[in-house]
Amino acid sequence: DTAVSQTPKYLVTQMGNDKSIKCEQNLGHDTMYWYKQDSKKFLKIMFSYNNKELIINETVPNRFSPKSPDKAHLNLHINSLELGDSAVYFCASSQGLAGGGYQETQYFGPGTRLLVL
Amino acid sequence: AQSVTQLDSQVPVFEEAPVELRCNYSSSVSVYLFWYVQYPNQGLQLLLKYLSGSTLVKSINGFEAEFNKSQTSFHLRKPSVHISDTAEYFCAVKAPGGYNKLIFGAGTRLAVHP
Repeated sequence: DTAVSQTPKYLVTQMGNDKSIKCEQNLGHDTMYWYKQDSKKFLKIMFSYNNKELIINETVPNRFSPKSPDKAHLNLHINSLELGDSAVYFCASSQGLAGGGYQETQYFGPGTRLLVL
Repeated sequence: AQSVTQLDSQVPVFEEAPVELRCNYSSSVSVYLFWYVQYPNQGLQLLLKYLSGSTLVKSINGFEAEFNKSQTSFHLRKPSVHISDTAEYFCAVKAPGGYNKLIFGAGTRLAVHP
């Protein structure tokens, strides 16, 4: 009954490789997000999709490409991995874009711990 | 643009003692405020939020936070902590309307000791 799930939970890979992280939510939400949490626990938004449309795209290297095949899924593909990409990546979802009330609450997945060697 | 400052990176406290985790925000417009908790090796969970109305909001596990507009603060408090409250706590802010982009503080590590 996991609301927001991510796979894999751990990912260890070599520099230069290409990898993907998958996210699925079963809450019926319209909006999904990717966040990066660095080694100092600082959490920053990377992307957001609403109904499969990209709506937030922070200053992220173009090696990172989100893909949303449907509104319940938001995957993150990373090309040419670098040491600095090592972090915990969190997926999240919310009911809508805005409007106040419950729509504002974001529900987070358990995170994917990526280690680039 | 909004920003969030969590004044303490770590807060050690003994079990059953009271605790306050401080959060200040900066914004030129009114904001929504959130506290999220991250237990070791887990994702973030919403603890409580302020959207409008009463400035004192409470969670089901005894935490409360008070929105103070004049001091631009949203401090988190608990009168008596448990060992199980040991976690990382994140304050976050969002401007109403627009895209749902949360701005997080750097987090405060609450360590409860027996």
